[in-house]
Amino acid sequence: GAVVSQHPSWVICKSGTSVKIECRSLDFQATTMFWYRQFPKQSLMLMATSNEGSKATYEQGVEKDKFLINHASLTLSTLTVTSAHPEDSSFYICSATTGADTQYFGPGTRLTVL
Amino acid sequence: GDSVTQMEGPVTLSEEAFLTINCTYTATGYPSLFWYVQYPGEGLQLLLKATKADDKGSNKGFEATYRKETTSFHLEKGSVQVSDSAVYFCALSKASGANSKLTFGKGITLSVRP
Repeated sequence: GAVVSQHPSWVICKSGTSVKIECRSLDFQATTMFWYRQFPKQSLMLMATSNEGSKATYEQGVEKDKFLINHASLTLSTLTVTSAHPEDSSFYICSATTGADTQYFGPGTRLTVL
Repeated sequence: GDSVTQMEGPVTLSEEAFLTINCTYTATGYPSLFWYVQYPGEGLQLLLKATKADDKGSNKGFEATYRKETTSFHLEKGSVQVSDSAVYFCALSKASGANSKLTFGKGITLSVRP
């Protein structure tokens, strides 16, 4: 149980285009989903917290207009990287929680911006 | 603010060796403590957790005990296998649900050689 999927697993795009990443909780309803960014050989950096039906809460230093988060249902959250640039290349990971203290992580999405 | 400190890596061990990965934390109140594991090319998986002082989390032969007096949550395994090669993250959480932000340590890479 407690499986979280992400789609796509990897994506390559041209600079200036937008990319959407989906995060789904497959066998449970997620009251809250989180989006992280992981740089090579470094820890995870929390980008934002999203609750179903409400606006996401962004961490300090994260551009909300660049990283659009939509939490449309209790099983789906999307992260859209708008007008992507090479410095946005990274590993993006989502997690979901049922409301307890354990987060369940997706497998991650590798974004490469050319 | 809250923080998690992990020992510097990487760590390389021979198969069947004893493993200890140190983790200490700084937090007010009574956080929950976690160990997550990230296998190559995959997302994070919850390895074990402990929610109060003196609790011992265990899974797949790994153990960690919540020591409030030393603010530590060291990860141990009596006999490592090649399949244990991965990155290990220690983390804490202060609340549940929408406020259950995880604070991660930097992670440590474990390589087990046959």
